[in-house]
Amino acid sequence: DVKVTQSSRYLVKRTGEKVFLECVQDMDHENMFWYRQDPGLGLRLIYFSYDVKMKEKGDIPEGYSVSREKKERFSLILESASTNQTSMYLCASSLGTGDSYEQYFGPGTRLTVT
Amino acid sequence: SQKIEQNSEALNIQEGKTATLTCNYTNYSPAYLQWYRQDPGRGPVFLLLIRENEKEKRKERLKVTFDTTLKQSLFHITASQPADSATYLCALDHRTGANNLFFGTGTRLTVIP
Repeated sequence: DVKVTQSSRYLVKRTGEKVFLECVQDMDHENMFWYRQDPGLGLRLIYFSYDVKMKEKGDIPEGYSVSREKKERFSLILESASTNQTSMYLCASSLGTGDSYEQYFGPGTRLTVT
Repeated sequence: SQKIEQNSEALNIQEGKTATLTCNYTNYSPAYLQWYRQDPGRGPVFLLLIRENEKEKRKERLKVTFDTTLKQSLFHITASQPADSATYLCALDHRTGANNLFFGTGTRLTVIP
């Protein structure tokens, strides 16, 4: 089974702090994704990566950056956390070849910025 | 840009009945469409994928249809059980590079015993 793990389930940070969210997948997937999920807005893509050191902006990249130094690890960075970044953050991975485009999600990190 | 609508935010049905969830989209049809289940406080879990040239796909008590003319997918759960209570998400799968999925906001299904 594919396993996607996220560094924290719950996180509380103060406004202005730098926040690191880490995601690790164990199935050698090429593609990795960071989403945020808010009530009524659904899943919104922040950034994705299709290879090591490669990244692409999603729909809402402002205020975020990412890093993918190793294939299995994809980090989301909030350079200066703000209260409007309080949300559930979900990491996902996919193989992205043949018919294997389904995404496997981690358990999520509920971030609260005070 | 593509817009995805799932029929209602919440749906309540009696145990044993068939639940039918709707996913409508605008603009161009995706090559594939996926359905996910999400439990509270958890990440979505992949359930089914259907291709544009398939009219129907089944997996145990689940059935998905895909009508590119109507720009609609229907997701059915037959003989529903309280354990089926969750939020169900549809996702358009355009296969344009690595970023292939565009998610709807989901329908929260509650199966009443």
